[in-house]
Amino acid sequence: SYELTQPLSVSVALGQTARITCGGNNIGSKNVHWYQQKPGQAPVLVIYRDSNRPSGIPERFSGSNSGNTATLTISRAQAGDEADYYCQVWDSSTYVFGTGTKVTVL
Amino acid sequence: QITLKESGPTLVKPTQTLTLTCTFSGFSLSTSGVGVGWIRQPPGKALEWLALIYWDDDKRYSPSLKSRLTITKDTSKNQVVLTMTNMDPVDTATYYCAHRSPTTHDAFDIWGQGTMVTVSS
Repeated sequence: SYELTQPLSVSVALGQTARITCGGNNIGSKNVHWYQQKPGQAPVLVIYRDSNRPSGIPERFSGSNSGNTATLTISRAQAGDEADYYCQVWDSSTYVFGTGTKVTVL
Repeated sequence: QITLKESGPTLVKPTQTLTLTCTFSGFSLSTSGVGVGWIRQPPGKALEWLALIYWDDDKRYSPSLKSRLTITKDTSKNQVVLTMTNMDPVDTATYYCAHRSPTTHDAFDIWGQGTMVTVSS
C-alpha cells in the first residue's frame, strides 16, 4: 500500500517561513492535498491539487509537488497557524493520509 | 452552504457492530462527481481513511478494514451510513464524515465536526 511520510514536528519563528514535507514514491505524479487541524477541531482543507487554495485560505499558504516530495509552505507564520498538518493523496482507488506534522510557532 | 454531521453511539462493547450516520445538507449525493467519505482519528494519532461512496453508488474501502466495513447512502434522506463490525478497543476514535467535491480532485473540502466513539466493555 502507498505510504506518505511527514516529519513529526516543525518549528518556525513568528513571521518566518515554515516548510512541511510529505514524502512518497513518485508523489509528483499524484494530486496532493493538505489539511490543517487545530486541537479539538475537524481538519480544514488548505491546499488541493498540489497548489490550489480553497476560498478563504490566506495566500500565505502555498504548495508544490515534484519527484518524491510534496511541500506545504506557510509564509509569514502567525500564532494561529499552530496546528497539525496532514497531506493526502488518492492512490489505487484508495485515499491515503500522511503521518501528520505538528507545527509550532515560536 | 455545505454541512455534515455525524451521529451514532458514543460507547460500544467489543465484538459489537458500530453504525454511524452522516446527515448532510447543501449538496446532493446524486450530483455527478460528488462523494461522501468516512475518516477516523484515534486519540493523539493520525487521520485514517475508512470508506467513500460516490454519487453513482460506487464504493471504496480501506484495504485493511474492508472486511469489516459497509457504506450505504439514502439520497432522499441526505444520509450516508457506515457500519463497522467486530469492534475492538483499538477502534476507539473520533469518526468524521466529509464531502468529496468533483472540483477538488479527491480532496475532502468540507468535514463534519466528528463524533467520538469509545470501545470498552
